[in-house]
Amino acid sequence: GAGVSQSPSNKVTEKGKDVELRCDPISGHTALYWYRQSLGQGLEFLIYFQGNSAPDKSGLPSDRFSAERTGGSVSTLTIQRTQQEDSAVYLCASSFEPGRMNTEAFFGQGTRLTVV
Amino acid sequence: AQSVTQLGSHVSVSEGALVLLRCNYSSSVPPYLFWYVQYPNQGLQLLLKYTSAATLVKGINGFEAEFKKSETSFHLTKPSAHMSDAAEYFCAVSFSGNTGKLIFGQGTTLQVKP
Repeated sequence: GAGVSQSPSNKVTEKGKDVELRCDPISGHTALYWYRQSLGQGLEFLIYFQGNSAPDKSGLPSDRFSAERTGGSVSTLTIQRTQQEDSAVYLCASSFEPGRMNTEAFFGQGTRLTVV
Repeated sequence: AQSVTQLGSHVSVSEGALVLLRCNYSSSVPPYLFWYVQYPNQGLQLLLKYTSAATLVKGINGFEAEFKKSETSFHLTKPSAHMSDAAEYFCAVSFSGNTGKLIFGQGTTLQVKP
């Protein structure tokens, strides 16, 4: 597609359930990022994938959070045993040449997760 | 450690007035600096970026920002606010040769009054 696509756009789940959020990056972009946007915390980095390298998981808040990227394209962020504090908007971004001068990260519209 | 501070979580201006959104960063290495805008229920859109070329950067929708190394600042301005500029604005930093991971400020909500 023309942009970064995320699904679902909204997700309401019960506390304790697992959820999967999907991100389809721009074709040809090697780098993929997940961020979380929540009230009081702003935008927080969660995880970064680049090609076949080991992902940078330094931003994942707990071991209930995990992510994978299959075939260097689509990524899934999984939250196990959801808690109310997991409620947030989860944003995915992709870029072509991370860390280079003229690179730019393109963001999807996000998935709004509500844990009730 | 690198960080970004946006002064003022809410800024209100009248339509036609100057917009000034403040951003300061802390970094031990030369940064790349970005301003993103987020309209309600949408993702982030890049307004402009500084990548060590010209210190005055022009972006979309009439916005511009000036990198001032001595002040470690990258304030965003627009001479004349339009109602459609009402949104949340984020300043962010990343670093050359790094992963491209962005460190964001807390955001500033811009309100434009008629």
